[in-house]
Amino acid sequence: AQSVSQHNHHVILSEAASLELGCNYSYGGTVNLFWYVQYPGQHLQLLLKYFSGDPLVKGIKGFEAEFIKSKFSFNLRKPSVQWSDTAEYFCAVKVDYGGSQGNLIFGKGTKLSVKP
Amino acid sequence: DGGITQSPKYLFRKEGQNVTLSCEQNLNHDAMYWYRQDPGQGLRLIYYSQIVNDFQKGDIAEGYSVSREKKESFPLTVTSAQKNPTAFYLCASRRDSKRYQPQHFGDGTRLSIL
Repeated sequence: AQSVSQHNHHVILSEAASLELGCNYSYGGTVNLFWYVQYPGQHLQLLLKYFSGDPLVKGIKGFEAEFIKSKFSFNLRKPSVQWSDTAEYFCAVKVDYGGSQGNLIFGKGTKLSVKP
Repeated sequence: DGGITQSPKYLFRKEGQNVTLSCEQNLNHDAMYWYRQDPGQGLRLIYYSQIVNDFQKGDIAEGYSVSREKKESFPLTVTSAQKNPTAFYLCASRRDSKRYQPQHFGDGTRLSIL
């Protein structure tokens, strides 16, 4: 069965530190990849997505992610975090069966705490 | 084991028909959410409920209705007014909507039009 692994359960950084959150998935075919963010007290919001093309994807709020097919990875990065980035981050994968739609599979999430 | 159960996994709707998607959780969570995903897009919020007998519209509530008569249940009805219901629907819950709590997800329901 397909699965999504987020390596870190909780990451604590100081402001201005660089961020990289790992995400690996288990399916070897065509996939659509997503990163979602959930700020305290709010619902999920889409940060960025990858469907095809340039494997380096730019998202909102200075986030980016790189799709490395050979490593089955889609790591999220930000060069310099801010206190307002404190949130929980979810990686999600949808398998593309070439016409029929696979289900969206989420990782367990990584909680990011940024110290001011 | 605690978790969220969505049913059915696949659902087909005829034109003009209302259908109801089930979402049940045994996690004793106060907050529950319904999202929709369309091809090429991320999740969009349909409705959410922070407490029993209360719910609010999300970004794309038109054509949908919900109820929250019990803490563990948050069914979503896709009405005939929803002109493009074909999508993947995801239910989620959190213990407390106001504070930092892990979010749990169901496995989703894929709705298609016959």
